[in-house]
Amino acid sequence: DAGITQSPRHKVTETGTPVTLRCHQTENHRYMYWYRQDPGHGLRLIHYSYGVKDTDKGEVSDGYSVSRSKTEDFLLTLESATSSQTSVYFCATKPGLGADNEQFFGPGTRLTVL
Amino acid sequence: AQSVTQLGSHVSVSEGALVLLRCNYSSSVPPYLFWYVQYPNQGLQLLLKYTTGATLVKGINGFEAEFKKSETSFHLTKPSAHMSDAAEYFCAVDSQGGSEKLVFGKGTKLTVNP
Repeated sequence: DAGITQSPRHKVTETGTPVTLRCHQTENHRYMYWYRQDPGHGLRLIHYSYGVKDTDKGEVSDGYSVSRSKTEDFLLTLESATSSQTSVYFCATKPGLGADNEQFFGPGTRLTVL
Repeated sequence: AQSVTQLGSHVSVSEGALVLLRCNYSSSVPPYLFWYVQYPNQGLQLLLKYTTGATLVKGINGFEAEFKKSETSFHLTKPSAHMSDAAEYFCAVDSQGGSEKLVFGKGTKLTVNP
């Protein structure tokens, strides 16, 4: 395993409140990703990072922001949570580009927005 | 844009029977292809991948997949299902040959009946 932890693992919050999810890795991987997983949709990319302070949007980035101030940490923030953001969120990391570099996944965070 | 289609959101087999999970992709350039497995309440882990070279790829737990360019397919097979194979399986494509992002299919949930 690539030493990826996510916190919290479970969270219940109310509509309109801010939420921050944390991904921490110990492998010094360059790339980090945030996905959401919903039934019938598979995994969809929210944002990703290709280095410290270098981030880009994925296919479902509206309502989410990210930050990466250190190689090992990638934060996902929901500025004002909505019920449509109830989902399971996965962080992934990747050492670099190229054929031998796969993505490694964290254990997930289950977020419920009431 | 690349895409992945997994035929059948649910597949059910008997223990000892052949497992066949279907994946078709679209890509304008030679793709890198992946199969990931997700056990209940866990993150995804890599089963196998095709990048270049031999088109029949062997992975962990007795699974294998064959890249067929003419059919744009990368179906996953296992000769004899085991109860422990019950999980959700995701096909993914990286159509830029080691680029930053993967596109995932919507997943196939495999049930193994005793």
